[in-house]
Amino acid sequence: QVQLVQSGAEVKKPGASVKVSCKASGYTFSNFAMHWVRQAPGQGLEWMGWINGGRTKYSQKFQGRVTISSDTSASTAYIEVSSVTYEDTAVYFCARDSPGLFYFTYWGQGTVLTVSS
Amino acid sequence: QSVLTQPPSVSGAPGQRVTISCTGSSSNIGAGYDVHWYQQLPGTAPKLLIYGNNNRPSGVPDRFSGSKSGTSASLAITGLQAEDEADYHCQSYDNSLGGSRVFGGGTKLTVL
Repeated sequence: QVQLVQSGAEVKKPGASVKVSCKASGYTFSNFAMHWVRQAPGQGLEWMGWINGGRTKYSQKFQGRVTISSDTSASTAYIEVSSVTYEDTAVYFCARDSPGLFYFTYWGQGTVLTVSS
Repeated sequence: QSVLTQPPSVSGAPGQRVTISCTGSSSNIGAGYDVHWYQQLPGTAPKLLIYGNNNRPSGVPDRFSGSKSGTSASLAITGLQAEDEADYHCQSYDNSLGGSRVFGGGTKLTVL
């Protein structure tokens, strides 16, 4: 069965960088795009970007400050957020869609990022 | 501010029917892109509830249904049960700014 397992919670100071991982299993990693979605406390879901076969696309809001990468040999996707601020405090989810379908069938369990001085 | 607009909260008594609206624009729902719905229980990841406007994944009760018209979509839940209390999110595709996935702000359903 498809599983997406994310790395553990992070606490960062303002201005630092953070890198979150998402390890996939149960399917051929390179055949599907991996997306990243975040949810600030008490807020809705916010799409950040995706990676597919080395190609990446970012929400305009995060362009330049977020980097999505992957290691196909490890079936793992990553998202790195640089220069974090208090507004980056959120739960970060990885999510997989299917080719040609614009919805997310599988989700990681989420990684809590807390930005605190 | 979310691209798709949902009411912050709705409520209903057990057994009743509730609907949750999702309003978009000409670059997303109005452009013909499908609407999908997710259910999110407290402290958990979202779960796909409805895809392609009105299709249920295997295992989702037929008490949940979706519809779409023009620039809006709706999720209907009939025969409300206590375990339906959750946050519900709509999602679509937007063709502006090079294309992206977009979400609503989420709706908290309270079962009275």
